[in-house]
Amino acid sequence: DQQVKQNSPSLSVQEGRISILNCDYTNSMFDYFLWYKKYPAEGPTFLISISSIKDKNEDGRFTVFLNKSAKHLSLHIVPSQPGDSAVYFCAASGLGNQFYFGTGTSLTVIP
Amino acid sequence: EPEVTQTPSHQVTQMGQEVILRCVPISNHLYFYWYRQILGQKVEFLVSFYNNEISEKSEIFDDQFSVERPDGSNFTLKIRSTKLEDSAMYFCARLPGVGTEAFFGQGTRLTVV
Repeated sequence: DQQVKQNSPSLSVQEGRISILNCDYTNSMFDYFLWYKKYPAEGPTFLISISSIKDKNEDGRFTVFLNKSAKHLSLHIVPSQPGDSAVYFCAASGLGNQFYFGTGTSLTVIP
Repeated sequence: EPEVTQTPSHQVTQMGQEVILRCVPISNHLYFYWYRQILGQKVEFLVSFYNNEISEKSEIFDDQFSVERPDGSNFTLKIRSTKLEDSAMYFCARLPGVGTEAFFGQGTRLTVV
C-alpha cells in the first residue's frame, strides 16, 4: 500500500515559469514532510521540509505548502531553472521516524 | 554536513551469491536506513537501525537480508543469496536525530545476473 503518492510521473515547464509538484498521503500520523531531489546515478538530496504545525515553508525559490485536511502537499519552484531538472521525491515521516517515499516526479525545465 | 559514502558504487554478482553493501556514515548519528529503488519504480524502505539494533523493517527485508554495524562506523547490508529481482540501487541514509532530514549516500547499483 502506497502511503505517499505522487500521481504525476513527469512534468515539463518552461524556464522562468513556476513548477508545481504534488504529493498526497494517507496516514494522518505523518507529522513531518520533506522533498528530495535526485539526479541520475546519485542519492536523493534533501531540498526542503515542513512540519505539520505549519502550512507553508519557504527557502529561496522553493516553497512547500501543506494542507493537512486534504492530506496534500506541494512543492513550488519559481522561477524554474534548467538546473532544476531532476526527479523530485516527496517523503513523509511520523512515529518511528521511518521515511515513506513517493514514486517521484521527473521535472524537465525547458530552456 | 559530511557525506555518506557507499561502496562499491556498482556490484555485479551471480544469482545465489552473497553480497555486502557498505555505508560509512558519521559514527555519532542515531538512525540509519537502507532503501532501494528498482529501476523505474518507487524508492522502497528496507530497514532502519537505531542504537545498534534493527528498529523497523519492511516486508522486503526477509531472511535473506541482514544489517550490521560491525565496527561502530561502517553500516553494512548483506544479501545472503541474491535473486534477479534484487537488482536495484541501494541507498544508505543517516539521520542525526529525531525530526531531522535524512542524508543519503550516492547509492550502490546492484546487478544480479
